[in-house]
Parts: sequence; C-alpha cells; structure tokens
Amino acid sequence: DAGITQSPRHKVTETGTPVTLRCHQTENHRYMYWYRQDPGHGLRLIHYSYGVKDTDKGEVSDGYSVSRSKTEDFLLTLESATSSQTSVYFCATREQGLPQHFGDGTRLSIL
Amino acid sequence: KNEVEQSPQNLTAQEGEFITINCSYSVGISALHWLQQHPGGGIVSLFMLSSGKKKHGRLIATINIQEKHSSLHITASHPRDSAVYICAVPMNYGGSQGNLIFGKGTKLSVKP
Repeated sequence: DAGITQSPRHKVTETGTPVTLRCHQTENHRYMYWYRQDPGHGLRLIHYSYGVKDTDKGEVSDGYSVSRSKTEDFLLTLESATSSQTSVYFCATREQGLPQHFGDGTRLSIL
Repeated sequence: KNEVEQSPQNLTAQEGEFITINCSYSVGISALHWLQQHPGGGIVSLFMLSSGKKKHGRLIATINIQEKHSSLHITASHPRDSAVYICAVPMNYGGSQGNLIFGKGTKLSVKP
C-alpha cells in the first residue's frame, strides 16, 4: 500500500546488539512514522518525521533513534536492544490532510 | 492528551448480522480514523471523517462531534470481514503533524 516496504520483515537477535529497521516509500510522502504494536496496547508512536532531517519523538521513544536522510527512507535504530523491545514494528506515511498508509510490519524478537 | 476507548474488545457474529463497533474519545478533534488490521497483520485505512457519515460498500462510519463518539457499522457481515478494527484520533487538540493515538482495537470474528 502506497509503496511502503519494511525490511527486514522478521528478525531475531540478542540483547545488547544494535538493530536497524528500514522503511522505504515510493510515494514521496512528506510525513513518516514508526509505531510499535504490543498485546493489550494500541499502536504507539515511537518517532516521526515531517521532512528530510526533520524528526521528533513520539510517546515511547526511549531506547530508539531515527534518521531520515532522504525523502524515501526512514530508519529506526535500537542502539542496544532489550527484551522489552520485542514487538511488531509498523512504518506509516502520509501526505497533508490524508490518512496514513502502513507498511506490512516487522516482527522483531530480542532474546 | 487525547484518550480513545473502543467497545467491545471482542465480537463474534454470525454471517449476515449487522455489526456495530463504538469509539469514544476525550478531546476535541479535527478528524477521526477507522482502520482495519487483517489477520495477516496488514493495516489499511477505512475512513477518515470529521462530521456526519461516510459509506464504503457495506461499511458505514458515523461521528457525533458533540458527544465525542463514533461508530463503525458493517451490514450483511461476511467471514471475510473478520479482522481487528481500530479507531484513531489526533493525539492533541489541533494535533500537530497528524500524530494519532490509537484505540486497542475490536477483534471481530464472523462465523459462516
């Protein structure tokens, strides 16, 4: 949908290792978002971007950083993964005044 | 900060039944979103509405701004409607950048 590709789709890693998730879009949307989805919670915003090099924190940003060096790519980095960051991660994009479009998600397991 | 409550959490229906899912929020909004998450995990936007009613096929979304309440209706439900339905509103009044806060979802199962 809206040409959003998340990679990898699945990843298993160990506590303490760095992890980077990539979101790539082909629609030239200005806004991009990273969410996590956990049982018993709605989607929660980690970080978002409102343009190249313009990013800001969401409600659950601790332990995560992001970068957006090009319109089409939004990277989410876990500098030192912890088991509490085991989750399903969704990327979304949108243009002003329009609904968000979501990627297919990345299932991340941290052992 | 806005808060979103959805009801019911789980819903089982027989094929053909009329379905209603409810969403309440706490702070005035510019628009409310309904999304569908398929069993495989993909999330799609169904509706974005700021007043009145919108219809798409067998799906109808309504909103009452004064009561801070929205409903999603499914007419003549079908097993392929089985999914999690999610309500979302702007995080803050006049919310910046379209940042949304999401309900926990309503899991719908339609039996043949």
